[in-house]
Amino acid sequence: DAKTTQPPSMDCAEGRAANLPCNHSTISGNEYVYWYRQIHSQGPQYIIHGLKNNETNEMASLIITEDRKSSTLILPHATLRDTAVYYCIVRARDDKIIFGKGTRLHILP
Amino acid sequence: KAGVTQTPRYLIKTRGQQVTLSCSPISGHRSVSWYQQTPGQGLQFLFEYFSETQRNKGNFPGRFSGRQFSNSRSEMNVSTLELGDSALYLCASSRSAGTSGYNEQFFGPGTRLTVL
Repeated sequence: DAKTTQPPSMDCAEGRAANLPCNHSTISGNEYVYWYRQIHSQGPQYIIHGLKNNETNEMASLIITEDRKSSTLILPHATLRDTAVYYCIVRARDDKIIFGKGTRLHILP
Repeated sequence: KAGVTQTPRYLIKTRGQQVTLSCSPISGHRSVSWYQQTPGQGLQFLFEYFSETQRNKGNFPGRFSGRQFSNSRSEMNVSTLELGDSALYLCASSRSAGTSGYNEQFFGPGTRLTVL
């Protein structure tokens, strides 16, 4: 199964860029990488997605390595409201959606 | 555009009972997925429906079942409830389903089920 590996937790100072890594070494050629975040007790919120090229939207940037085996989500100017669990997701070979444990991001004032 | 809605938001049941949870997807979305979230196991995929057909199923016992109606609304049912079924049940909708292509999911607020 295509799986993702993320660090369990990270700290980032408020106002600095938060860089969240994700390893997805078994990703196949037509699978997208999605990033979601979940703020305590709420449903996950979509952040960004990508296939091969780097992507940017109003929330974040996504950097995907050329071999597509890993990616990094960048929150350019982290605020306290960015404190959440961040999930990196790819669609598995058997088509199941696997969230993994995610990274708990703590923004430090 | 209204988001994904789930009813009820909170539910308390006792062991052995059964429960039905409802999910209304975003208008125009034909795919609905269900997830169970517990502190110990995180977010786990239950099943996915597209155009009234179950496309995929996670590793859950047969007590967990679901269905999708012609208007894309979906229900999931858990029979013979166990204490371990206490969890946040999340529903997500998307326009389409499949491994290729862009398929963003929009999540509802969840139903918190407590089994006593």
